[in-house]
Amino acid sequence: GENVEQHPSTLSVQEGDSAVIKCTYSDSASNYFPWYKQELGKGPQLIIDIRSNVGEKKDQRIAVTLNKTAKHFSLHITETQPEDSAVYFCAASSTSGTYKYIFGTGTRLKVLA
Amino acid sequence: NAGVTQTPKFQVLKTGQSMTLQCAQDMNHEYMSWYRQDPGMGLRLIHYSVGAGITDQGEVPNGYNVSRSTTEDFPLRLLSAAPSQTSVYFCASRPRTQEQFFGPGTRLTVL
Repeated sequence: GENVEQHPSTLSVQEGDSAVIKCTYSDSASNYFPWYKQELGKGPQLIIDIRSNVGEKKDQRIAVTLNKTAKHFSLHITETQPEDSAVYFCAASSTSGTYKYIFGTGTRLKVLA
Repeated sequence: NAGVTQTPKFQVLKTGQSMTLQCAQDMNHEYMSWYRQDPGMGLRLIHYSVGAGITDQGEVPNGYNVSRSTTEDFPLRLLSAAPSQTSVYFCASRPRTQEQFFGPGTRLTVL
C-alpha cells in the first residue's frame, strides 16, 4: 500500500547548525508534500509545503526540496534555534482521487543551546 | 475564525463505555478527517468526509463511527471503548486542494 518513510526518528543539533529531515514516498500519483511542526500538547501546524511542479521552495530559514524521480523530499532548517525543537511530520497527498494524506512517522528535533 | 475546535481536551473512559468526540470548523472547508496519533506511528487516518452526507473509512476505522450532517461538524463516536483506543485524536479540515488544518487534539485514556 501507500506509505511514507521518514528519517531520522530523532535528531539533535547545536543551536545555529542546520537540520535535515528526509522522506520517501511510494505513490507515484502524489503531487503535494506538506511538512508539519508539532509542539508538545498541540496539534500539527503546517510550516511549508511543495507541489510536484517545483523542485525547491524556501521560506526564511526553512526550505523543502523535492526529487520526483527518486520520490524523495526533504526539509532543511538553517540557523536552528531552541524554539525549533519539536516533532516534524512529512506527508504526501494526491490532488486527484480521495485526496488522502499519508504521514511519515515523525522526527523529534532537539536544538541544544 | 476559530479554525478547527475539538472537545473535550481530555477524557478517561472505562472499557465498554461509549462517547463522542466533537469537531467543528468555521472555514467552510469541504474535507474533514479524524486521525489518531500513537507513539512511533505518526498520524493514522480513521475516517474522512469529502462533504456533508459523505463519509468513508481510512486506515484504521474499526471501533469508530462518524457522520457529517453539516459542513461545520464532524463527530467521532466510540461505541464500546477498548484499551487499544487509548490515543490522542486529531480532527482536521481543508478546502479541496489546499493545506490541511488541525485541531488541538483530544487525549483519550481507556481503562
